[in-house]
Amino acid sequence: EAQVTQNPRYLITVTGKKLTVTCSQNMNHEYMSWYRQDPGLGLRQIYYSMNVEVTDKGDVPEGYKVSRKEKRNFPLILESPSPNQTSLYFCASSSFPKGELFFGEGSRLTVL
Amino acid sequence: GESVGLHLPTLSVQEGDNSIINCAYSNSASDYFIWYKQESGKGPQFIIDIRSNMDKRQGQRVTVLLNKTVKHLSLQIAATQPGDSAVYFCAENSGGSNYKLTFGKGTLLTVNP
Repeated sequence: EAQVTQNPRYLITVTGKKLTVTCSQNMNHEYMSWYRQDPGLGLRQIYYSMNVEVTDKGDVPEGYKVSRKEKRNFPLILESPSPNQTSLYFCASSSFPKGELFFGEGSRLTVL
Repeated sequence: GESVGLHLPTLSVQEGDNSIINCAYSNSASDYFIWYKQESGKGPQFIIDIRSNMDKRQGQRVTVLLNKTVKHLSLQIAATQPGDSAVYFCAENSGGSNYKLTFGKGTLLTVNP
């Protein structure tokens, strides 16, 4: 089954404790992206990647890092999480160019 | 947890009625548009897309209309069912070949049985 898998789905952590949200897709997609979703603000892009070893900033990249060492994986790293990073995070992937964007089920992160 | 449906425009319809959800997009150079459906606790799900060289595209029970003159996109759902209750987002590709999607804030559709 074609899917985008994120882990963990739920996480409560404390300010400053580094964490990684993993994302994996099994569709051999070139394009992958991370979004955060907040009430009243909709989906905002954090980082995206057009292919292996190619990443770029989205609209709200501050406080986040990503890497794309393999085509199927695109982890989101929060080196020093802060409470304003409490949000619902979605990973998505697509064939390039402009194929349908498939979303994962989301990761709800709470930073205390 | 807090629902993504808070603070959104809402549309309430009776089961069996047709629904029309509207979206104003921002960039006149956008060349590709998508409608997504997001049910509570789930990720957005692709419904239908349209390229800027088209005015209308039909799927199963859904139709998307694009009016480039006024930068307006609409999603029509025929014979709305309770399972259609969700938040609906439009998205525009404003990045050309770089494929940068900008999402609208969404509309909460509630279908009353």
